[in-house]
Amino acid sequence: EADIYQTPRYLVIGTGKKITLECSQTMGHDKMYWYQQDPGMELHLIHYSYGVNSTEKGDLSSESTVSRIRTEHFPLTLESARPSHTSQYLCASSVAGGIYEQYFGPGTRLTVT
Amino acid sequence: AQTVTQSQPEMSVQEAETVTLSCTYDTSESNYYLFWYKQPPSRQMILVIRQEAYKQQNATENRFSVNFQKAAKSFSLKISDSQLGDTAMYFCAFTLTSGTYKYIFGTGTRLKVLA
Repeated sequence: EADIYQTPRYLVIGTGKKITLECSQTMGHDKMYWYQQDPGMELHLIHYSYGVNSTEKGDLSSESTVSRIRTEHFPLTLESARPSHTSQYLCASSVAGGIYEQYFGPGTRLTVT
Repeated sequence: AQTVTQSQPEMSVQEAETVTLSCTYDTSESNYYLFWYKQPPSRQMILVIRQEAYKQQNATENRFSVNFQKAAKSFSLKISDSQLGDTAMYFCAFTLTSGTYKYIFGTGTRLKVLA
């Protein structure tokens, strides 16, 4: 059973606040990813990680940061939220070798007022 | 650099009919995977079907099948006997079997199944 969790599912927050979006997976996958997706639109890769203590910026410039201290946990932090950060954030994980499939979390829908 | 192109932003199909979604990609590599993902409205993205580039046989999963043309770099998805639950955004995706392990997604096709 593929399990990847994201919290919160919905978040409305004021401009300037610091927020952390949580992502955890129970599959032992070494690769994890964050995507930004406006509703019904394409996915943009903003961060990814090959494993513990490994993080890389994605293709879309983002003011967010990530950390990977534990294999199962890949949180995304916005130091100062702005209305332009309003979007859906999807977390995903995969394992190199084998089937290569990405598993997605349910997403966090963020609104910055 | 790898690219994935979905040229049909929106499509509709009558219930029980067959529909084909198009996807083309570009890469100079020979070892890769291709995927179709489904994202129902306000629901989780899930894998529909997967194709290994080294396999000539087209993948099939129940009502879903692909037409993989490696030389043409084409990877279309056919949905047979369309159901209302097939209404969703469909994304074509690509990843190499080595290297950065990034996934390249197309811009998506919004499919609506009509009753």
